[in-house]
Amino acid sequence: DSGVTQTPKHLITATGQRVTLRCSPRSGDLSVYWYQQSLDQGLQFLIQYYNGEERAKGNILERFSAQQFPDLHSELNLSSLELGDSALYFCASSPRTAWARNALGANVLTFGAGSRLTVL
Amino acid sequence: DQQVKQNSPSLSVQEGRISILNCDYTNSMFDYFLWYKKYPAEGPTFLISISSIKDKNEDGRFTVFLNKSAKHLSLHIVPSQPGDSAVYFCAAEKYNQGGKLIFGQGTELSVKP
Repeated sequence: DSGVTQTPKHLITATGQRVTLRCSPRSGDLSVYWYQQSLDQGLQFLIQYYNGEERAKGNILERFSAQQFPDLHSELNLSSLELGDSALYFCASSPRTAWARNALGANVLTFGAGSRLTVL
Repeated sequence: DQQVKQNSPSLSVQEGRISILNCDYTNSMFDYFLWYKKYPAEGPTFLISISSIKDKNEDGRFTVFLNKSAKHLSLHIVPSQPGDSAVYFCAAEKYNQGGKLIFGQGTELSVKP
């Protein structure tokens, strides 16, 4: 158990629908990251939040949105779903302070087990 | 634009031999490089990292080598064990990008007894 909890583990839905994926970061971690892994692809960065504020954005579609709540859990909302949105969605967390220049080493992200979304 | 590339989708080695996984990158401004291991139905787990100012980092059976002039890094596993069979992802980080990691496509390692 990595300490990062993602729900649901599996989700099957239809095109045009909307789903919400939830992530609870590891205790004490303030930064949350969302990644998408499509079939035979690497992990594509979607978005990062630090202590409730958006800090970095990747190639996240306009149909997708996310937020981080005061208790630090995060939700990724996917709407108007298409077949191509079928993928594994990973949440990761780290204690990294968004503004601190790193002097202590790499920013090690701790990943959850992922949510597998299937759009039919 | 694929800034981090792992050109070998799979690798098969014999137990006890060396496994060498390769990774190339295009952005010379990366500050850290990391390797993650992923088993089926699990999230990626951190394995080892290296600073861009180093050329080698070792942790037990795992050693990462960085060749900045070639923009290339490799992960050596010696000796390889069947439990090392997994997908290995190379990732890179730049300080001023909030800590996000940019990942390669992964290499599936199979260690045969």
